[in-house]
Amino acid sequence: EIVLTQSPGTLSLSPGETATLSCRASQTVYSNYLAWYQQKPGQAPRLLIFGASSRAAGIPDRFTGSGSGTDFALTISRLEPEDFAVYYCQQFAPSPPAMTFGPGTRLDIQ
Amino acid sequence: QVQLQESGPGLVKPSETLSLTCTVSGGSITNYFWSWIRQPPGKGLEWIAYFYYSGSTTSNPSLESRVTISADASKNQFSLQLTSVTAADTAVYYCARQDGYDYERFDYWGQGTLVTVSS
Repeated sequence: EIVLTQSPGTLSLSPGETATLSCRASQTVYSNYLAWYQQKPGQAPRLLIFGASSRAAGIPDRFTGSGSGTDFALTISRLEPEDFAVYYCQQFAPSPPAMTFGPGTRLDIQ
Repeated sequence: QVQLQESGPGLVKPSETLSLTCTVSGGSITNYFWSWIRQPPGKGLEWIAYFYYSGSTTSNPSLESRVTISADASKNQFSLQLTSVTAADTAVYYCARQDGYDYERFDYWGQGTLVTVSS
């Protein structure tokens, strides 16, 4: 089973700054099937990035996914007040089939 | 626009069976893969299981022995049954659609429903 580790656990920044969130996998992620989600309090997660670097529909270009293999990152440029939330990475493995999430990174307003 | 809505009891007694239904609108459950995912209060996300209507169900190994998924295409619904629940099963339960070449990502989610396990 692939384990995802996210760092840092909490990141405190100010609007206008750039956030860099890390997701590391214990094994190579199949076909770079690494997705990022944003979750705000009381809401369901929202898909931001899939395939490590492709933006989902309607996601601003301030959100950039990068990486391959076992090391991935989500960069959020020019932070807006609505970007402060919890971010999860998620991977898919075909054999044995499984979907796993990282523990999340909380992005707080400083 | 695809929409998903979870429904079911908000309170379940220990050792009993948790039963939830996800009603899908704007798309047919006979296409795509569909999942159940849960989130204990204040904690992270845990994938429970997914199914494809004309195929089999695949479950998280940690929950596999207690999970059953069923579907009713005429109602465009699918359901989760989790047996022998304990307080550790208290969580917000989400249903979600999987998309992608290998259905590797969750693109639409329900709003979630809180299920509390308590006597």
